[in-house]
Amino acid sequence: AQSVTQPDIHITVSEGASLELRCNYSYGATPYLFWYVQSPGQGLQLLLKYFSGDTLVQGIKGFEAEFKRSQSSFNLRKPSVHWSDAAEYFCAVVAFSGGYQKVTFGTGTKLQVIP
Amino acid sequence: DGGITQSPKYLFRKEGQNVTLSCEQNLNHDAMYWYRQDPGQGLRLIYYSQIVNDFQKGDIAEGYSVSREKKESFPLTVTSAQKNPTAFYLCASSIDRDGTYEQYFGPGTRLTVT
Repeated sequence: AQSVTQPDIHITVSEGASLELRCNYSYGATPYLFWYVQSPGQGLQLLLKYFSGDTLVQGIKGFEAEFKRSQSSFNLRKPSVHWSDAAEYFCAVVAFSGGYQKVTFGTGTKLQVIP
Repeated sequence: DGGITQSPKYLFRKEGQNVTLSCEQNLNHDAMYWYRQDPGQGLRLIYYSQIVNDFQKGDIAEGYSVSREKKESFPLTVTSAQKNPTAFYLCASSIDRDGTYEQYFGPGTRLTVT
């Protein structure tokens, strides 16, 4: 069965500093990978996705992520964090079984941005 | 504007009562999902439906029921059999036919059972 691990529960960065959020996945085939962001008390919004092709994908709000098959990772990055980036971030993988597709989410990383 | 609506945003119930959470989408998406979110546990799949009149149990279906009589609607009933129903519930949909499987989320319903 597929799984997603986000090893950092909580990260604090200074505004203007760079950011990297880690995501490791387990899946036997080529994965479909996503990063979502959630503001407190809200639903999730898609930041970016990877299906195939270029392993460096660009998303909204200045985020990017790099797929590394050898490391089973899909880490999210941003060169300069803004205070409005404070939120919870979820990595997810899509798996296919018996004609159905199922999305598995990681447990999330909560980002705090300090002035 | 197209999107997913969940109502109400906050819901309070007494223990032992069934309660139904609404989820409606006007995105013409085939698939719909219900997730439960608890602090530190991420999103856990309760039920999903890929076509009308068909749905599948997710990882934590016990104590929950759903129906999919219309493409636009996927209500979730939290029954009295659910031992710990207080949580944040998220509904999502996806088109799937284009092979992207990107999920679109509603704003969520926070259920409190006392």
